[in-house]
Amino acid sequence: NAGVTQTPKFQVLKTGQSMTLQCAQDMNHNSMYWYRQDPGMGLRLIYYSASEGTTDKGEVPNGYNVSRLNKREFSLRLESAAPSQTSVYFCASSTVPTGGRGNSGANVLTFGAGSRLTVL
Amino acid sequence: DQQVKQNSPSLSVQEGRISILNCDYTNSMFDYFLWYKKYPAEGPTFLISISSIKDKNEDGRFTVFLNKSAKHLSLHIVPSQPGDSAVYFCAAVARQLTFGSGTQLTVLP
Repeated sequence: NAGVTQTPKFQVLKTGQSMTLQCAQDMNHNSMYWYRQDPGMGLRLIYYSASEGTTDKGEVPNGYNVSRLNKREFSLRLESAAPSQTSVYFCASSTVPTGGRGNSGANVLTFGAGSRLTVL
Repeated sequence: DQQVKQNSPSLSVQEGRISILNCDYTNSMFDYFLWYKKYPAEGPTFLISISSIKDKNEDGRFTVFLNKSAKHLSLHIVPSQPGDSAVYFCAAVARQLTFGSGTQLTVLP
């Protein structure tokens, strides 16, 4: 039971280069998310996909694009990387969109192990 | 403007003692609160949650307290164990999940 799998785990880019972070979940979850974690800032939502076929901006979407390829996969693309995008990126998934309560009350997100991106 | 604040970046406690991690929030629309734990090189994992209609939720060694009038929640870990050493994030739910900046807990043997 892999849960949420992210690739790559580490990446170094030069300013202006592009790359895609891949995420896949095997829990049949409907909703998927991309967060970034920066020192002193906690986790901030970049984009999310409430269900297959939909995507929405989160708190910090500038400089990113996403694709919900199918129910399992949700990718994050940096078209022209900037040093400000140096961060640790986490993909997450959940049964229902955050704000929906599900059967257990609070909706719980399952996170991947993270992808550390450095932009020089 | 951070809606969920964890004002203590770090906390050290002795093994066997109580750990108390604090979190303050500003948005009155938050109706669920959660705590996540994160070990190095891993993603955050869910620990415990509480609905805004309750003031306490307990799960084994972990208890979360909610004071709505003060817009404050806390996580108590009793007794603390070295394996509890991790970063703890509080989070709150309105339309989306909003995280605090985290508190690094170190439990000393």
